[in-house]
Amino acid sequence: ETGVTQTPRHLVMGMTNKKSLKCEQHLGHNAMYWYKQSAKKPLELMFVYSLEERVENNSVPSRFSPECPNSSHLFLHLHTLQPEDSALYLCASSQDTGGNTEAFFGQGTRLTVV
Amino acid sequence: GQNIDQPTEMTATEGAIVQINCTYQTSGFNGLFWYQQHAGEAPTFLSYNVLDGLEEKGRFSSFLSRSKGYSYLLLKELQMKDSASYLCAVRVYNDYKLSFGAGTTVTVRA
Repeated sequence: ETGVTQTPRHLVMGMTNKKSLKCEQHLGHNAMYWYKQSAKKPLELMFVYSLEERVENNSVPSRFSPECPNSSHLFLHLHTLQPEDSALYLCASSQDTGGNTEAFFGQGTRLTVV
Repeated sequence: GQNIDQPTEMTATEGAIVQINCTYQTSGFNGLFWYQQHAGEAPTFLSYNVLDGLEEKGRFSSFLSRSKGYSYLLLKELQMKDSASYLCAVRVYNDYKLSFGAGTTVTVRA
């Protein structure tokens, strides 16, 4: 248990569906992140929120839309995805965004787009 | 971005030692992290190095040479439960993210 909880753990969706991934952290951290993990590839940073403000959008397609309503919750809204978007989506949090602050990861949502 | 390289796979025997190397090319280096990720689970933090030298934590040690852009994670007295993917990640100044390598899958055999 890392203190970061993601739901759902598994999701299968069609290309025309709309779904949302949820992340909640119980660590009192100020920064939250979405990463994408594809097989045999490095984790790719998608979005960073610091104190509920988006500070980085790493050239992610608009079919992925993040939302951070408060410092404990982070969502990733999905619509009209493509099969190549199938991957493990990991949420992480850290005390802040600098220096030696380690990131704590959730267990991820395994997304399959059909 | 940062070029981070680590071997794809390594295999070792229970009780042995394995060393996972990580090389990186970056400007404004501000720390290197090692994470362990078991299949289907979250990556978990193992170690952090920002100064040259060796950091030891029980069976695991991590080494950093900033001038060489090189780190290694040393796993001693290997156990079956150490079979996992090991991720090297680098942080730079004025950047919010950790940049990750593709990970090294370590398989421990009896």
